[in-house]
Amino acid sequence: GESVGLHLPTLSVQEGDNSIINCAYSNSASDYFIWYKQESGKGPQFIIDIRSNMDKRQGQRVTVLLNKTVKHLSLQIAATQPGDSAVYFCAENINQAGTALIFGKGTTLSVSS
Amino acid sequence: DSGVTQTPKHLITATGQRVTLRCSPRSGDLSVYWYQQSLDQGLQFLIQYYNGEERAKGNILERFSAQQFPDLHSELNLSSLELGDSALYFCASSVLEGGKLFFGSGTQLSVL
Repeated sequence: GESVGLHLPTLSVQEGDNSIINCAYSNSASDYFIWYKQESGKGPQFIIDIRSNMDKRQGQRVTVLLNKTVKHLSLQIAATQPGDSAVYFCAENINQAGTALIFGKGTTLSVSS
Repeated sequence: DSGVTQTPKHLITATGQRVTLRCSPRSGDLSVYWYQQSLDQGLQFLIQYYNGEERAKGNILERFSAQQFPDLHSELNLSSLELGDSALYFCASSVLEGGKLFFGSGTQLSVL
């Protein structure tokens, strides 16, 4: 079946740098996208979401960009901190009965101080 | 704290056995989802319930079953366990179907 994938399994940055985590999705019918953060030993934690009628959404230190033309999603983290170290997943859903969020394999972000 | 409670946190059992994982959704959430997370497969969707009814099915094995009770808590039953069933099992809940999910801390299942 179709699934969400990520470009890089790992990303290492220095504290204070901006981080960009990318995700490519394959289902053009997907209309809702979410980024989750998962710290070791914990469940995925919601970061930010975006619907397909938008191309950008900002939160606190995070921005999600959606490019429907090339089916690409990215998460930008400003001024990355050691506490941002985690695995980041993008997920997609289709607004259709009988479907659920489908997750990509994740990118491990390591922040060194 | 997401408000989703899963028990037990850890479960160690033997091949061929049966276990039950329990989930209490956030107060007010009618939808419950089960996901399996293994190292090589990421987060795999298993099954979803909404107000007691099964609504969506993913890659759930026939040896696995679930249900959602009138008080909205849910149980995932895993039977005839195999070594490959060892994984983290997450429950998530949401107010609306198709909306953002709030995850519990998971149950780590080890089949020996």
